[in-house]
Amino acid sequence: GAVVSQHPSWVICKSGTSVKIECRSLDFQATTMFWYRQFPKQSLMLMATSNEGSKATYEQGVEKDKFLINHASLTLSTLTVTSAHPEDSSFYICSARSSLAGVLNEQFFGPGTRLTVL
Amino acid sequence: GENVEQHPSTLSVQEGDSAVIKCTYSDSASNYFPWYKQELGKRPQLIIDIRSNVGEKKDQRIAVTLNKTAKHFSLHITETQPEDSAVYFCAGSTGGGTSYGKLTFGQGTILTVHP
Repeated sequence: GAVVSQHPSWVICKSGTSVKIECRSLDFQATTMFWYRQFPKQSLMLMATSNEGSKATYEQGVEKDKFLINHASLTLSTLTVTSAHPEDSSFYICSARSSLAGVLNEQFFGPGTRLTVL
Repeated sequence: GENVEQHPSTLSVQEGDSAVIKCTYSDSASNYFPWYKQELGKRPQLIIDIRSNVGEKKDQRIAVTLNKTAKHFSLHITETQPEDSAVYFCAGSTGGGTSYGKLTFGQGTILTVHP
């Protein structure tokens, strides 16, 4: 149980275009999902916290108008990178937190999406 | 906000030796401390976690200790094997308030186990 999927697993796009990444909890409901970005040889940096039915909470320094997050259901959150530029190239990973009692803190990670902006 | 520091950044051991990775955290409200193993290009995998109401937890060759007073926690891997080679991350999470559930990661430790 507790499987999280991401789609696509990798994407290459031209500078200036927008890219949408989906994060799904397959066998549990996730009221909260998190989006991370990981540059090569670096740690995971939290970008935003996505709560179902409400606006996302962005970390300091993350542009909310550039990284659009939508959490329309208890099993799906999307991250759209708008007007992507080469510096946005990174590994984007989502995680979902189960609403089950007893595992309130544990996050289940998706497989990640490798974004390359040319 | 929470700040998690992790040391060392790289660790090289011989197969069969033990490996220890240490982390410190700043937020006394943090109450959940997971450890993740990440292989290149893959998702982080939870290998062990500990909550603030216990001081030690063990799962086969892996153990984690927590010192709440000093605000540090450590990962211990015994009888290391080449397949333990990966990047290991510690993290801290608070249990309430506006930061509820957020994970703050350490910088990571590249563990290499030589056959």
